[in-house]
Amino acid sequence: QQQVRQSPQSLTVWEGETAILNCSYEDSTFNYFPWYQQFPGEGPALLISIRSVSDKKEDGRFTIFFNKREKKLSLHITDSQPGDSATYFCAASEGANTGKLTFGDGTVLTVKP
Amino acid sequence: NSKVIQTPRYLVKGQGQKAKMRCIPEKGHPVVFWYQQNKNNEFKFLINFQNQEVLQQIDMTEKRFSAECPSNSPCSLEIQSSEAGDSALYLCASSSHRNSDYTFGSGTRLLVI
Repeated sequence: QQQVRQSPQSLTVWEGETAILNCSYEDSTFNYFPWYQQFPGEGPALLISIRSVSDKKEDGRFTIFFNKREKKLSLHITDSQPGDSATYFCAASEGANTGKLTFGDGTVLTVKP
Repeated sequence: NSKVIQTPRYLVKGQGQKAKMRCIPEKGHPVVFWYQQNKNNEFKFLINFQNQEVLQQIDMTEKRFSAECPSNSPCSLEIQSSEAGDSALYLCASSSHRNSDYTFGSGTRLLVI
């Protein structure tokens, strides 16, 4: 049973549009949710993260919306740019003991100019 | 520019050979993680440390994989007898606390032929 699921698998938007990437999880003990951006040939880079005590976190063009009751979250990228084209991973951790992250399988975002 | 330094970037080994990769965590980060990312972008947690002590490791790590994080030296991950299925991107990450944001390195891409 996959603990963290992402949808869609791939997403194409036009430059300037808002891209919405979805994530859901199974384990109710998860309390920390980072999103990573990964370009080909590179390691993942932390984009933005949220803890379960919050329902929204904003950083520039990137916003996480979190629904604890439904165990769902989404990443909104406003004013998408071609440079945002990458694979985005949602991850989750219960944190307290080891900090181990469980990752989703990623969403490949393409932003067309 | 990643603050977590992984070497080498690429590693090619024959089946049965040893494969060793190194990681210098971000300065001031006592918690170090190793993940394996396969060609399908799936992440698998391998092991993590706080200072020199192992916090958690998976069964696979206990058999052919070994890792250490000695004081004042780079951390390392070694596969004793490489198998074709070990071909993947090996990612090292570090953090200041167990449940805080990670910084990933660029990874070591291992190819076992």
